[in-house]
Amino acid sequence: GAVVSQHPSWVICKSGTSVKIECRSLDFQATTMFWYRQFPKQSLMLMATSNEGSKATYEQGVEKDKFLINHASLTLSTLTVTSAHPEDSSFYICSARDPVGGTQYFGPGTRLLVL
Amino acid sequence: AQKVTQAQTEISVVEKEDVTLDCVYETRDTTYYLFWYKQPPSGELVFLIRRNSFDEQNEISGRYSWNFQKSTSSFNFTITASQVVDSAVYFCALSEARSGGSNYKLTFGKGTLLTVNP
Repeated sequence: GAVVSQHPSWVICKSGTSVKIECRSLDFQATTMFWYRQFPKQSLMLMATSNEGSKATYEQGVEKDKFLINHASLTLSTLTVTSAHPEDSSFYICSARDPVGGTQYFGPGTRLLVL
Repeated sequence: AQKVTQAQTEISVVEKEDVTLDCVYETRDTTYYLFWYKQPPSGELVFLIRRNSFDEQNEISGRYSWNFQKSTSSFNFTITASQVVDSAVYFCALSEARSGGSNYKLTFGKGTLLTVNP
């Protein structure tokens, strides 16, 4: 099946720093990628839709200046959490949509802990 | 608006039992996709199946089977002869089938935590 990688898998940082998370589709080109946030024992919450070559579309309530998304190529999307604070600590998961079949394949996720 | 309901929050079974995870959905779209994903303790979501709304055939893959019934807006998932490795959170999801970035968004259910005990 299709493979999506996500890096890093774990991040511990100090409050006020910025953290960049990369999401790559390894064996297919994805014009559309998605970024999710998941709190413990909850479902996935969509943060934004990332389209290659254009601005991301953010869900209501998600601060676009805080969660910067860049989809520079058909295989790479990045999420930057700017000036991270403890409340940003969470599990962030990306997905890439395979345009051939339409299925979203998910990365392994990044656990962010802001101290 | 789309909605996916997984009424079972947690299910606990003993190994080798069969278990069915329920999924009921709501959509105004005539064409849509339904999905099941597995999330083991490691956190990664593993794709299990995608079903197009036009295709109501049930599907079997090894110990897994899916029952899609448009009449009741349900897409249930059965694991036969469950194993400890099946322990995970299972998510049912729905998306539109029309083209366009925002239309590809997945609407997830809240998930069902399946625990298979030895």
